[in-house]
Amino acid sequence: DGGITQSPKYLFRKEGQNVTLSCEQNLNHDAMYWYRQDPGQGLRLIYYSQIVNDFQKGDIAEGYSVSREKKESFPLTVTSAQKNPTAFYLCASSKAPDRLNQPQHFGDGTRLSIL
Amino acid sequence: AQSVTQLDSHVSVSEGTPVLLRCNYSSSYSPSLFWYVQHPNKGLQLLLKYTSAATLVKGINGFEAEFKKSETSFHLTKPSAHMSDAAEYFCVVSEPSYGQNFVFGPGTRLSVLP
Repeated sequence: DGGITQSPKYLFRKEGQNVTLSCEQNLNHDAMYWYRQDPGQGLRLIYYSQIVNDFQKGDIAEGYSVSREKKESFPLTVTSAQKNPTAFYLCASSKAPDRLNQPQHFGDGTRLSIL
Repeated sequence: AQSVTQLDSHVSVSEGTPVLLRCNYSSSYSPSLFWYVQHPNKGLQLLLKYTSAATLVKGINGFEAEFKKSETSFHLTKPSAHMSDAAEYFCVVSEPSYGQNFVFGPGTRLSVLP
């Protein structure tokens, strides 16, 4: 079955350490997205990518970095510059963003905590 | 610019009674509209989407939503709540563009009482 796989499900980070969250999709979707979700809050966009080798900052990109070397993969690195990284991270994908009626599909998330 | 308002941050209903979750949007175009559900520690699952083919949209698990352009609303309803419906619900508006094109509402937490 097609879908989005996020790994790991739980991740722990020490102070000053970079960590990378994995997101892989086999839906042949062009666009991919990373969101951050804090308790009791909605989703905030970190980065998005509409095509391979291209990505744009979202609303809260500071302290994060991404790459899009393959259509299927969109890893997110949480750097030591992100002072409050504890959150639930969600990856999503969608078909061509210039068309109507194309919903996003989501992975099951990665929960990042600080040791 | 697009925006989404979910009028209730928390809705509580008894099992077997109707559910109404409210969503209002603003958009410069004829947008796409979606409802998603999120259970604890899970990703978002698509409930239904508005495609402009019909104003009353049926989704999964007995949910439906009605698009009212004059009221810029897209409220989610279900005739009879089930315990398994307890979750967070998000209304989303989207316009076709080469850019950031999905705008999420803040979410409504639905509690279902036995």
